[in-house]
Amino acid sequence: QQQVKQSPQSLIVQKGGISIINCAYENTAFDYFPWYQQFPGKGPALLIAIRPDVSEKKEGRFTISFNKSAKQFSLHIMDSQPGDSATYFCAASVQGAQKLVFGQGTRLTINP
Amino acid sequence: NAGVMQNPRHLVRRRGQEARLRCSPMKGHSHVYWYRQLPEEGLKFMVYLQKENIIDESGMPKERFSAEFPKEGPSILRIQQVVRGDSAAYFCASSPTVLQPQHFGDGTRLSIL
Repeated sequence: QQQVKQSPQSLIVQKGGISIINCAYENTAFDYFPWYQQFPGKGPALLIAIRPDVSEKKEGRFTISFNKSAKQFSLHIMDSQPGDSATYFCAASVQGAQKLVFGQGTRLTINP
Repeated sequence: NAGVMQNPRHLVRRRGQEARLRCSPMKGHSHVYWYRQLPEEGLKFMVYLQKENIIDESGMPKERFSAEFPKEGPSILRIQQVVRGDSAAYFCASSPTVLQPQHFGDGTRLSIL
């Protein structure tokens, strides 16, 4: 019940295309859903986060869509660029930002 | 404003030795979290500490692993009698309060020979 399932494991998108990464969860007590971006040899960096009282949040080219009834949320990267090539992790937690439960990660490659 | 500082960045130990990983949180952050990342996997929560207190250690293995966050100085993750399976990247994160986002360091890559 504590798991967050992320798909796909890897994704290749052409430059300028839309990258979509999906996550699903079981624990309905989760109330904070961040996305992290990780480059090789670096720590995860917070990209964007959402709480279940909204269905969508947009920051620049990055959008989180949240479906509370389906217990799913997704990250959309518009106009994907080679610099977006990284591993992306979704996560979830209860009562704010404690104890993040991470998905397995998606390795995104943007072809020029 | 420096980020979360972890050292060493790389640590090599032989089986049976002790590993000490250090984490200095961002200035003004009193909440520290440790996570472990195995190759090609997501991060797994280990322990959450506030100054001088362990708040949640539900992800810590019961034996050989311990963590502390003293009043002065960095947080320490200690692994005694290391085994090959301890090889992983260990990440520390910090936040100013429990309700604010966690910021991660660049990790310590632990290799066990």
